[in-house]
Amino acid sequence: EAQVTQNPRYLITVTGKKLTVTCSQNMNHEYMSWYRQDPGLGLRQIYYSMNVEVTDKGDVPEGYKVSRKEKRNFPLILESPSPNQTSLYFCASSLSRDRGHEQYFGPGTRLTVT
Amino acid sequence: AQSVAQPEDQVNVAEGNPLTVKCTYSVSGNPYLFWYVQYPNRGLQFLLKYITGDNLVKGSYGFEAEFNKSQTSFHLKKPSALVSDSALYFCAVGRGTSGTYKYIFGTGTRLKVLA
Repeated sequence: EAQVTQNPRYLITVTGKKLTVTCSQNMNHEYMSWYRQDPGLGLRQIYYSMNVEVTDKGDVPEGYKVSRKEKRNFPLILESPSPNQTSLYFCASSLSRDRGHEQYFGPGTRLTVT
Repeated sequence: AQSVAQPEDQVNVAEGNPLTVKCTYSVSGNPYLFWYVQYPNRGLQFLLKYITGDNLVKGSYGFEAEFNKSQTSFHLKKPSALVSDSALYFCAVGRGTSGTYKYIFGTGTRLKVLA
């Protein structure tokens, strides 16, 4: 089954404790992206990657890191999480860098930072 | 500044009635426009997109959207609403130049279809 998977689905952590949210897709997609969803703000793009070893900032990159060492994986790293990073996070992928392609979304990761 | 606006936080409609969820955009160049739907505790699912061509785009589950360049709008429509259409709907636009591109999403509109 074609899908985007994220782990963990739920995470409660404390301020300053480094964490990684994994994202993997099995569709051989070139483009991958991370978003955060907050009430009243919709989805905001954190980082995106157009291919292996090619990443760039979205609109809200502060406090996050990403890497794209393999085509299928695009982990999101929070080096020192803070309470304002409490949010619902989505990973997405699309076929290519052509911006006409729709995105496929993972099920989401709900992160709480205390 | 480039943006996407969904002016209604919530839309209520009776089952069987037509529904419209509004979206307007402000981007430079030709826009690539999308609608996604989010059901409770799920990720977003693609509904339809406008790239070029016919201004009326048909998508999944009987939804359609009309691209209006002069009004910079891309409203989502369905002739007859179902209770199962109740969900959160997002309009999005792809933006960027060669080599880079990003997406802007609206704030979402919650659709409630009443039996």
